[in-house]
Amino acid sequence: GAGVSQTPSNKVTEKGKYVELRCDPISGHTALYWYRQSLGQGPEFLIYFQGTGAADDSGLPNDRFFAVRPEGSVSTLKIQRTERGDSAVYLCASSVGWTVSYNEQFFGPGTRLTVL
Amino acid sequence: TQLLEQSPQFLSIQEGENLTVYCNSSSVFSSLQWYRQEPGEGPVLLVTVVTGGEVKKLKRLTFQFGDARKDSSLHITAAQPGDTGLYLCAGEGGSYIPTFGRGTSLIVHP
Repeated sequence: GAGVSQTPSNKVTEKGKYVELRCDPISGHTALYWYRQSLGQGPEFLIYFQGTGAADDSGLPNDRFFAVRPEGSVSTLKIQRTERGDSAVYLCASSVGWTVSYNEQFFGPGTRLTVL
Repeated sequence: TQLLEQSPQFLSIQEGENLTVYCNSSSVFSSLQWYRQEPGEGPVLLVTVVTGGEVKKLKRLTFQFGDARKDSSLHITAAQPGDTGLYLCAGEGGSYIPTFGRGTSLIVHP
């Protein structure tokens, strides 16, 4: 079956612009996570959804970052007034349930964001 | 903040050698996951360890969770070029949010 997909795979934008990154989770997965991975680092948690609601957004770095999941499936990560420091690979993961101890996270290939 | 330190950061070995990667923290975790990530792809789960002292084997890979649930190790026997990749450990703490280490980049030369 289809895995987690993310679009676009690459996004180049200019400083100050607005970008949207999309994640299509595996069908039926209720939990959805967004992470950011900078070069030479492990993934850093941003936000997690259980169904339609954001269960924990404590990892969002500031109010320029926002994410939605209106119908409990597709999610969009939105970044306003992009800065060069936002350049990274943005990963999305989904799982059947909400605790990773007992529910495998399946990751998408990521969107590589470059802010010039 | 719960931190996970991985060592070594880089490892370059010849095919057939054995290696061990370590994941350490001062915090207790409910579980630890090990992932492998290849360039341009997302991490893929290898194993989850939940019980202190637990040992799991996956073919040539052996995973151990420390008795105090603060550390873990990954041992690879007779490494092959196909084992090349970034190995990440991640822990689930009290907040249920996974915390990842920086990873160990492994290159196995034929």
